[in-house]
Amino acid sequence: DAKTTQPTSMDCAEGRAANLPCNHSTISGNEYVYWYRQIHSQGPQYIIHGLKNNETNEMASLIITEDRKSSTLILPHATLRDTAVYYCIVRSPTNFGNEKLTFGTGTRLTIIP
Amino acid sequence: GAVVSQHPSWVICKSGTSVKIECRSLDFQATTMFWYRQFPKQSLMLMATSNEGSKATYEQGVEKDKFLINHASLTLSTLTVTSAHPEDSSFYICSASRDRGYYGYTFGSGTRLTVV
Repeated sequence: DAKTTQPTSMDCAEGRAANLPCNHSTISGNEYVYWYRQIHSQGPQYIIHGLKNNETNEMASLIITEDRKSSTLILPHATLRDTAVYYCIVRSPTNFGNEKLTFGTGTRLTIIP
Repeated sequence: GAVVSQHPSWVICKSGTSVKIECRSLDFQATTMFWYRQFPKQSLMLMATSNEGSKATYEQGVEKDKFLINHASLTLSTLTVTSAHPEDSSFYICSASRDRGYYGYTFGSGTRLTVV
């Protein structure tokens, strides 16, 4: 399984853009990058995913480098409710015809008022 | 949007007893369910993957006889922790996918299990 490396923690001022980096240097050509976040004691919440093109939705933007070895999640205008642990995940195949998400350690993002 | 309901949200049981956790996809058919475990201040660890109508496949190091998974229908999967011990106390989270994991994953809200 392709592993991801993220900073342990980050702070961001409220109203500013939060940029969360992720390294996935062993990613294969057909493996997707997913981002989820988890607020304390809740299930993970989907944010965005992509393969090689940059993606944007109502929550965030995902920038994937051309070599696909790293990516950045951008929350354009962070609010206090964005305080959470953010997981960068590479979706990988199982031996049984499925695709699975294997979580790394994540980045604890704290939004500062 | 896709909704996954997990029940109970928390449970306390005595050591040696068994506990069943349910995971239901409310508005879609989940061909595949995933079960995770999360210890305090740690990340989610995948325990097993189950396809509807098939036996679950367990990750290395997860005892299949202790963590029984049933996925008999396209909307319901259950995880039974058998003969629970205090070290099994954890946050258990399920995730459901329409198409074997190719088409997105929706997570339940989790079950906090405390074994006393």
